[in-house]
Amino acid sequence: GAVVSQHPSWVICKSGTSVKIECRSLDFQATTMFWYRQFPKQSLMLMATSNEGSKATYEQGVEKDKFLINHASLTLSTLTVTSAHPEDSSFYICSARQTGASSYNEQFFGPGTRLTVL
Amino acid sequence: GQNIDQPTEMTATEGAIVQINCTYQTSGFNGLFWYQQHAGEAPTFLSYNVLDGLEEKGRFSSFLSRSKGYSYLLLKELQMKDSASYLCAVRDSNYQLIWGAGTKLIIKP
Repeated sequence: GAVVSQHPSWVICKSGTSVKIECRSLDFQATTMFWYRQFPKQSLMLMATSNEGSKATYEQGVEKDKFLINHASLTLSTLTVTSAHPEDSSFYICSARQTGASSYNEQFFGPGTRLTVL
Repeated sequence: GQNIDQPTEMTATEGAIVQINCTYQTSGFNGLFWYQQHAGEAPTFLSYNVLDGLEEKGRFSSFLSRSKGYSYLLLKELQMKDSASYLCAVRDSNYQLIWGAGTKLIIKP
């Protein structure tokens, strides 16, 4: 099956620093990638939809200047949390939808990145 | 608004059968997904329904009734490793996934 990787798997940083998370589709091309955030014991919350070669579409309430998304190629999207604060500590998960797939269009999830901001 | 409802928590016994229900109200419908998520891990795909009826895949089955806005995930021969959260997600007319809050399933010996 299709594999999506994320790097790093966990990161601890100081308040005010920026953190970059990479999401890669390893064996397929992904026109569209999604970034989710999940707080403990809560469901996934879609942050933004990233389309290769164009600007990301952010969900209501998500600051685009704080969560910078770049989808420069069909296999890589990055999420940069700028000036991170403790309230940004969360589990960040990306998913990718295969280009040219059938209407089934399953999303394949990365393993997630646990961010802790001190 | 769009809404997905599923029970918060369920408990079942090892070896038994459990049914997790999901009801939805969304802007359009382009399929319903069930995912399994173990604590601290990303969701993994279980099933996909777009037409009414039952889809069986090993110990897991998923049912859909579009007219009722209803689905269930049936888990048979429960194993301890099935303890996890089960997420119901509906793809709306914009092909966005709308997520339920998840059902935490606790399996007891």
